[in-house]
Amino acid sequence: SQQGEEDPQALSIQEGENATMNCSYKTSINNLQWYRQNSGRGLVHLILIRSNEREKHSGRLRVTLDTSKKSSSLLITASRAADTASYFCATPNYGQNFVFGPGTRLSVLP
Amino acid sequence: NAGVTQTPKFQVLKTGQSMTLQCAQDMNHEYMSWYRQDPGMGLRLIHYSVGAGITDQGEVPNGYNVSRSTTEDFPLRLLSAAPSQTSVYFCASSYQGAVSGANVLTFGAGSRLTVL
Repeated sequence: SQQGEEDPQALSIQEGENATMNCSYKTSINNLQWYRQNSGRGLVHLILIRSNEREKHSGRLRVTLDTSKKSSSLLITASRAADTASYFCATPNYGQNFVFGPGTRLSVLP
Repeated sequence: NAGVTQTPKFQVLKTGQSMTLQCAQDMNHEYMSWYRQDPGMGLRLIHYSVGAGITDQGEVPNGYNVSRSTTEDFPLRLLSAAPSQTSVYFCASSYQGAVSGANVLTFGAGSRLTVL
């Protein structure tokens, strides 16, 4: 069963705008991760936020985590055409396994 | 440092044929796993291994076999391919982040399999 669910399924914005995508999960976690997948490629790890953190930044990425609502958001500021990709949230399942949501497809138009 | 290498990138099979998807990593990661990706369903875990000689089933293991004879290699075998196995397959290995202490996945580029 899927642990994470991203929202929206697809997002189209203009270059320079901010992109926000959300993730909801079902069970308690010790961390939540976001991955990016460019078309035809494998997933690449973007950022990790631990359960005792509320917000984390990495370059143009900002991730928030609300454990009381079991939700996270990924904000990409000043989007570029190169940010066009699918974005997935992933939560630990058991051991070193992860559960991925269906992803958000982001299109950044020049 | 090649990371996680998957072969082949593309494969077309007929129903009932068998094949092996290869996965190799050169990062000395103990944990390796196979996921399949289908439209609208994200990634689903097929099988995983926490070290040489140890494998276990994930969420969707039926129709697939794995083995782990070395730390580097983790092949995925389809014994009798079915159209339902048409998908994109990703191999991933896991490392523990130096700062976070949490496990992070490194993925291969994927293998696109079509079963006719």
